Amino acid sequence: AQSVSQHNHHVILSEAASLELGCNYSYGGTVNLFWYVQYPGQHLQLLLKYFSGDPLVKGIKGFEAEFIKSKFSFNLRKPSVQWSDTAEYFCAVIVYNTDKLIFGTGTRLQVFP
Amino acid sequence: AAGVIQSPRHLIKEKRETATLKCYPIPRHDTVYWYQQGPGQDPQFLISFYEKMQSDKGSIPDRFSAQQFSDYHSELNMSSLELGDSALYFCASSQRQTRNSPLHFGNGTRLTVT
Repeated sequence: AQSVSQHNHHVILSEAASLELGCNYSYGGTVNLFWYVQYPGQHLQLLLKYFSGDPLVKGIKGFEAEFIKSKFSFNLRKPSVQWSDTAEYFCAVIVYNTDKLIFGTGTRLQVFP
Repeated sequence: AAGVIQSPRHLIKEKRETATLKCYPIPRHDTVYWYQQGPGQDPQFLISFYEKMQSDKGSIPDRFSAQQFSDYHSELNMSSLELGDSALYFCASSQRQTRNSPLHFGNGTRLTVT
């Protein structure tokens, strides 16, 4: 069965530190990849997505992610985090031509001023 | 721009009662997904519909049922509620024929079972 792994369950950073959250998926075919963010008390919001083309995807709020097919990875990065980035981040995969959005277990990011 | 609308926003029910949650997708979106997010847990896929037909089924209990209507809105019916059903239920919609159509999420319905 397809699965999505987020190895960092809880990340604590100081403001201005660089961020990289890992995401690996288990499926050998074509996938669509997403990063969602859930701020405290809010619903999931789409940060960025990859369908095809340039494997380096830029999203909102200065986030970017790189799709490395050989590593089945789609890591999320931000060069300098802010306190307002404190949230839970979910990586998700849709296997091409299926309906099911498979979420990772999420990474809780805490940024301290 | 119109977003995915869910109602009600909050719902409090007692054990063994029934609940109906509604989801109104973005106009022209033909696919609706339901997710359940328990406290401190990641979202779990429940069920999805495409063009008014069930298209996929996840970890939806037999006590729950759902359908998509001719106007593409969807309702999640939950019976014999249990304390463990307390969660945030959110739906998402997309336009299946458009490959680059991302999921748009509603704000969710927070169900509390007492």
